[in-house]
Amino acid sequence: LAKTTQPISMDSYEGQEVNITCSHNNIATNDYITWYQQFPSQGPRFIIQGYKTKVTNEVASLFIPADRKSSTLSLPRVSLSDTAVYYCLVVGNNAGNMLTFGGGTRLMVKP
Amino acid sequence: GAGVSQSPSNKVTEKGKDVELRCDPISGHTALYWYRQSLGQGLEFLIYFQGNSAPDKSGLPSDRFSAERTGGSVSTLTIQRTQQEDSAVYLCASRGLAGVPGDTQYFGPGTRLTVL
Repeated sequence: LAKTTQPISMDSYEGQEVNITCSHNNIATNDYITWYQQFPSQGPRFIIQGYKTKVTNEVASLFIPADRKSSTLSLPRVSLSDTAVYYCLVVGNNAGNMLTFGGGTRLMVKP
Repeated sequence: GAGVSQSPSNKVTEKGKDVELRCDPISGHTALYWYRQSLGQGLEFLIYFQGNSAPDKSGLPSDRFSAERTGGSVSTLTIQRTQQEDSAVYLCASRGLAGVPGDTQYFGPGTRLTVL
């Protein structure tokens, strides 16, 4: 499994854009980059997944450079309710691949 | 459609008792996973079901833990003779078709187990 490295914590203010970068130097050819969000006492919630370049959905954008050794999750105009832990995972595209969550990035959004 | 559901949401039990935790995956999802998460920790894989294949039990911490999946849908995780170290949030996830680009695992809300 490719190991990921991301900041332990980040602080932001309401209305700002937040960018969380994740390093995954040993990513394999068939690996996808996946981000989850987790609130206290809840299960992880899938946010976005990508393979290369840029992916955007209604929640976030994911930027992946050509070498795929890192990725950046971008949250536009965060609100207090975006305070959560964000996990970056590298996952092979087979159902047998169980997910391994590291420590994640604890995002604190302040008023 | 509906997401993954789990019951009960909270379970408090006494040491030595057996508990059953239930997971209803997303309709049509063929793969089902059980994980557990201790306070402030990452997820620990327990067991994985894929269709009618034999489950991958490699993550089960002891023989007190078992799981079954009936009819390829609902799954039950059973912990026998519970111990205090079993206290954690037990999470279930399901996944759709293997090999479909962009598919991933969707989690339920979890069952918080407290062993007194």
